[in-house]
Amino acid sequence: DAKTTQPPSMDCAEGRAANLPCNHSTISGNEYVYWYRQIHSQGPQYIIHGLKNNETNEMASLIITEDRKSSTLILPHATLRDTAVYYCIVRARIYNQGGKLIFGQGTELSVKP
Amino acid sequence: ETGVTQSPTHLIKTRGQQVTLRCSSQSGHNTVSWYQQALGQGPQFIFQYYREEENGRGNFPPRFSGLQFPNYSSELNVNALELDDSALYLCASSSRDRWAYEQYFGPGTRLTVT
Repeated sequence: DAKTTQPPSMDCAEGRAANLPCNHSTISGNEYVYWYRQIHSQGPQYIIHGLKNNETNEMASLIITEDRKSSTLILPHATLRDTAVYYCIVRARIYNQGGKLIFGQGTELSVKP
Repeated sequence: ETGVTQSPTHLIKTRGQQVTLRCSSQSGHNTVSWYQQALGQGPQFIFQYYREEENGRGNFPPRFSGLQFPNYSSELNVNALELDDSALYLCASSSRDRWAYEQYFGPGTRLTVT
């Protein structure tokens, strides 16, 4: 699985968009980009994943560059409850096979009033 | 839909003892993964179980072992506890029979070894 690089911390004002970057320059063709977040003292929570097209769900949007070497997770209107550590994970998504998630250090996002 | 549950929430053990942690999968999921999260670090993969068999293991010694039951619930057993085993232990369930591969995590068990 490809390695990811994320800034260790970011701040965001409440109500503004939070843009969390992730570099994955060694990503290969069959690898997806997954985002999870972990609110203090809780288990990680799945947010979104994508291969090469931009994706949006009720929680966030995922923008993947055309060369797929980097991506940005966007929380459109951050709230105080979005304060958490955000993990960008790259892995292959193979039907009918299990696998591990390799977590890095993640980005600690602080949403401030 | 019932989420992933883990028990106990907190546990204190003495070095050298043995511990068993339990996990109930989310409804409809047949795969369980266990992770160890030391303070200030990201979770590290311990192993995964599918259809009651270990299916992939991380860099953990044999004193970390597990079980998966026919109802897909799971146990993590750690023998000969060491101080460095103090961590948050996370269980995640997923469905290996679908394209969707998102893992859903439980709240974790906080283990303290003294």
